[in-house]
Amino acid sequence: GAVVSQHPSRVICKSGTSVKIECRSLDFQATTMFWYRQFPKQSLMLMATSNEGSKATYEQGVEKDKFLINHASLTLSTLTVTSAHPEDSSFYICSAGQRGFFPSTDTQYFGPGTRLTVL
Amino acid sequence: GEDVEQSLFLSVREGDSSVINCTYTDSSSTYLYWYKQEPGAGLQLLTYIFSNMDMKQDQRLTVLLNKKDKHLSLRIADTQTGDSAIYFCAERDSSASKIIFGSGTRLSIRP
Repeated sequence: GAVVSQHPSRVICKSGTSVKIECRSLDFQATTMFWYRQFPKQSLMLMATSNEGSKATYEQGVEKDKFLINHASLTLSTLTVTSAHPEDSSFYICSAGQRGFFPSTDTQYFGPGTRLTVL
Repeated sequence: GEDVEQSLFLSVREGDSSVINCTYTDSSSTYLYWYKQEPGAGLQLLTYIFSNMDMKQDQRLTVLLNKKDKHLSLRIADTQTGDSAIYFCAERDSSASKIIFGSGTRLSIRP
């Protein structure tokens, strides 16, 4: 299957600093990338959808000025958590989708996730 | 809005079959997925089924879809310790690219 990587896998930062997380599709061009947040023992919450070259679409309740998403190329999307606070500590997972990667199916491939801890 | 529900926990004996159930509300769902998440890792697509199918089998995995009742199940035959994980049911409709996930079912294996 397709490979999606995330970097870093784990980051610890001080409150008030900004953190950038990268999501890369390694062996295919991703027309759409998704960013999810997962709290312990809970499901994935979609934060935003980004299409290459256009602004991200944020889900209701997600602050776009706090979670900056850039999808500058077909293989790279970045999520920047600005002025991070302890409540932003979470597991952030990206996925990359390519229309028609499987015959007749649009499928998302998930990255391994980034664990953010804000002290 | 769309909703996907799963039971939170399932415990089975090693070697037995595991059946994880899922219900969804969106009648326009066209793709239904099962993902596996191991501790501290991202999601791995296990299998998917189109809404015009009733059943799909892939080695030890069998997916059953009852579209009338909006019920999806994943059966894992001969469950092994390596199957311990959280299993997410997910659905997507043809008009949207986003996927709606269930809460996940934590499968634990006992000897």
